Amino acid sequence: AQTVTQSQPEMSVQEAETVTLSCTYDTSESDYYLFWYKQPPSRQMILVIRQEAYKQQNATENRFSVNFQKAAKSFSLKISDSQLGDAAMYFCAYRSEGRGTASKLTFGTGTRLQVTL
Amino acid sequence: DGGITQSPKYLFRKEGQNVTLSCEQNLNHDAMYWYRQDPGQGLRLIYYSQIVNDFQKGDIAEGYSVSREKKESFPLTVTSAQKNPTAFYLCASSIDDWRGDTQYFGPGTRLTVL
Repeated sequence: AQTVTQSQPEMSVQEAETVTLSCTYDTSESDYYLFWYKQPPSRQMILVIRQEAYKQQNATENRFSVNFQKAAKSFSLKISDSQLGDAAMYFCAYRSEGRGTASKLTFGTGTRLQVTL
Repeated sequence: DGGITQSPKYLFRKEGQNVTLSCEQNLNHDAMYWYRQDPGQGLRLIYYSQIVNDFQKGDIAEGYSVSREKKESFPLTVTSAQKNPTAFYLCASSIDDWRGDTQYFGPGTRLTVL
């Protein structure tokens, strides 16, 4: 079974600075997908960024980018120019290539990000 | 506006009662999921459905039941057999269940057992 580990329960960053959230995963599969979701105080899960394992190029979405290291099974999220609205829980998630219940997302335990003035 | 709606936002249940959580989507997605979130943990899959009248148990299906009579709707019933139902419940959907289709989430329902 796949596992996802987020070793930083809490992180803090000053507004306009850059912060990196860590995620490692364990899998024996070669094809899979990785996601970062954001959960603000409203508790709705919002997709931040997605990475396909077969793509070597790191995904970027505006101020959000990832550092995907397939061999090391590492998938970190970098937030540039942090804003107060970035304060939330961030979850790293793994999705198998499979169908049916294998299409489920496997989540880490989350990192709470605080943004200070 | 396309999206996923869940109701109610907060739900209180007495011991021994069954309650039903609603999930509706107008995204024309085939695949729908129910996840449970407990404090300090990530989400865990309860049930999954890819087409109408078909669904599969996830990792923690005991004490839960679902139906999929319409493509747009995937209600979750928390039965009295669920020993510890207090949690946050999230419904998600995706276009299909292959090629890593992204799952989009509803706003969630907070269930508390009194």
